[in-house]
Amino acid sequence: GNSVTQMEGPVTLSEEAFLTINCTYTATGYPSLFWYVQYPGEGLQLLLKATKADDKGSNKGFEATYRKETTSFHLEKGSVQVSDSAVYFCALSDHNTNAGKSTFGDGTTLTVKP
Amino acid sequence: EADIYQTPRYLVIGTGKKITLECSQTMGHDKMYWYQQDPGMELHLIHYSYGVNSTEKGDLSSESTVSRIRTEHFPLTLESARPSHTSQYLCASSDGLAAGDTQYFGPGTRLTVL
Repeated sequence: GNSVTQMEGPVTLSEEAFLTINCTYTATGYPSLFWYVQYPGEGLQLLLKATKADDKGSNKGFEATYRKETTSFHLEKGSVQVSDSAVYFCALSDHNTNAGKSTFGDGTTLTVKP
Repeated sequence: EADIYQTPRYLVIGTGKKITLECSQTMGHDKMYWYQQDPGMELHLIHYSYGVNSTEKGDLSSESTVSRIRTEHFPLTLESARPSHTSQYLCASSDGLAAGDTQYFGPGTRLTVL
């Protein structure tokens, strides 16, 4: 079956530091890959996505590249801000298997200190 | 901005009460989902629906039930609430696109059963 493994948290960084949150996946088909973000007291919202190998998703300074050879989709940001403090979820969706349901990682909590 | 709504946002209720958590979306999505979120932030799929009159149990066993009589409405009911039902409940819908089935989440209902 499908699975997503992401870096355990919590992660604490100082403002303007470089961020990497690792995500690897296992899928039997050809999934689309996602990063969702959950701010305190809210539901999840899409941060970025990539639908095929070598695609790069980007949004709000965050980037992730779909690497089929390493089955990875690591999230990066060059300079984090306090407002980036949130929980980040890596996910995959395979339209052809698992009835199109999404599979989520366990979430990584990021805290950015001024 | 996604148009998916959950009410109530917070609910504190006594053991044995029947409760219904409401979820509505105005995007015309056929697919809808209910997740239970741990304090550790993991998401567990408890119910999903692929359209009107379609409901399925998710990966995590739940004593709750759902119905889908209208496309836009996907309520979750607990016939007799117990303290073990205390959790955050997130509703989501998805656009069902073959290339990247993005999920849109509501703000969540935080349920406390005393």
